[in-house]
Amino acid sequence: DAGVIQSPRHEVTEMGQEVTLRCKPISGHNSLFWYRQTMMRGLELLIYFNNNVPIDDSGMPEDRFSAKMPNASFSTLKIQPSEPRDSAVYFCASSLGGPHQPQHFGDGTRLSIL
Amino acid sequence: GENVEQHPSTLSVQEGDSAVIKCTYSDSASNYFPWYKQELGKRPQLIIDIRSNVGEKKDQRIAVTLNKTAKHFSLHITETQPEDSAVYFCAASMGNAGNMLTFGGGTRLMVKP
Repeated sequence: DAGVIQSPRHEVTEMGQEVTLRCKPISGHNSLFWYRQTMMRGLELLIYFNNNVPIDDSGMPEDRFSAKMPNASFSTLKIQPSEPRDSAVYFCASSLGGPHQPQHFGDGTRLSIL
Repeated sequence: GENVEQHPSTLSVQEGDSAVIKCTYSDSASNYFPWYKQELGKRPQLIIDIRSNVGEKKDQRIAVTLNKTAKHFSLHITETQPEDSAVYFCAASMGNAGNMLTFGGGTRLMVKP
């Protein structure tokens, strides 16, 4: 079991640039979550997919953020255009059966927007 | 929506002592309560979870208790060790497919050798 795989691990870019974060969930898991973690706001859910379909995107900050899950083994979180306040650690997690089942987190992407 | 409060925000204990972290939740319909441990610079990892049909669950030195009436649940770590030092997060969910986990603000536990 390779666990949840995220890439890149670190991303530094200038404001205004497009940022794409990638996630491969654990094989067989049908639920995928994107979280953002900051010192000020803690761990926040951005979006939740079930069977590749977005179920709840109420945590997505604004239209600059978008997420896709084209198939069961891949998801992306895109920020365009990026702003310094988007700097955070972004985690992807997956579970078998929804948010009320154990969620397995990836190692995260540390994003810095200059 | 659900609101989860976690206390204390920091906790320092001597190695070998016990540590207790408490969380309260607002929605009485919540029925799934996991606890995650996050070491510095690492990912959150599930250490134990409890569902509302039980009042207590143990796993070696870790135990979680749930009081549904009072809407609070607690993490107990006995015989603490330096490697227990981390940030611990509680969370709550209503246990349906569409209901998300709401996380507490975290507790930074420091175990002094």
